[in-house]
Amino acid sequence: DSGVTQTPKHLITATGQRVTLRCSPRSGDLSVYWYQQSLDQGLQFLIQYYNGEERAKGNILERFSAQQFPDLHSELNLSSLELGDSALYFCASSVVATGNTIYFGEGSWLTVV
Amino acid sequence: GIQVEQSPPDLILQEGANSTLRCNFSDSVNNLQWFHQNPWGQLINLFYIPSGTKQNGRLSATTVATERYSLLYISSSQTTDSGVYFCAGHYGQNFVFGPGTRLSVLP
Repeated sequence: DSGVTQTPKHLITATGQRVTLRCSPRSGDLSVYWYQQSLDQGLQFLIQYYNGEERAKGNILERFSAQQFPDLHSELNLSSLELGDSALYFCASSVVATGNTIYFGEGSWLTVV
Repeated sequence: GIQVEQSPPDLILQEGANSTLRCNFSDSVNNLQWFHQNPWGQLINLFYIPSGTKQNGRLSATTVATERYSLLYISSSQTTDSGVYFCAGHYGQNFVFGPGTRLSVLP
């Protein structure tokens, strides 16, 4: 158990819908990362937050947004879902913005039908 | 941007065999880590190894930061070692992953 908690673990939704994925970082970690992994693909960095502020942005679509709340949990919002958005979405956390070990949650499996 | 290469892309081993996985970066990275993604999709930290050598049971890793590569050694492989092995590191503000090595260990 990495200490990073993601909910839901599995989600099936229809095209055009909107979903929210939630992440609770490890206790004491200030930085949260979001990654997308499509079937048999590598991990694509979406976005990083540090202590409530956006720190780095990767290949995140405009239909996707994220935020980190004062209690440091984070949410990734995916809207106007398309079939191609079906993927495993990972959240990860670390103590600092760069440096130190990064730990991953178990992921949220999103299937868009 | 930075290029990360992992070799071999695929590897099939008989149980008990040893293997070496390699990770090359086109530019300097910080905070290099190795991960194992098991067949259930979980990403498990193996090593945080920005430089030097570490060992954990049958696994060990070596990073030569000045030459921008890292090696992961798996000895006496077991079927539970199957999965995808990723290296990753900080490049600027981004934590970037290699494409992975898919390992299959046969009984």
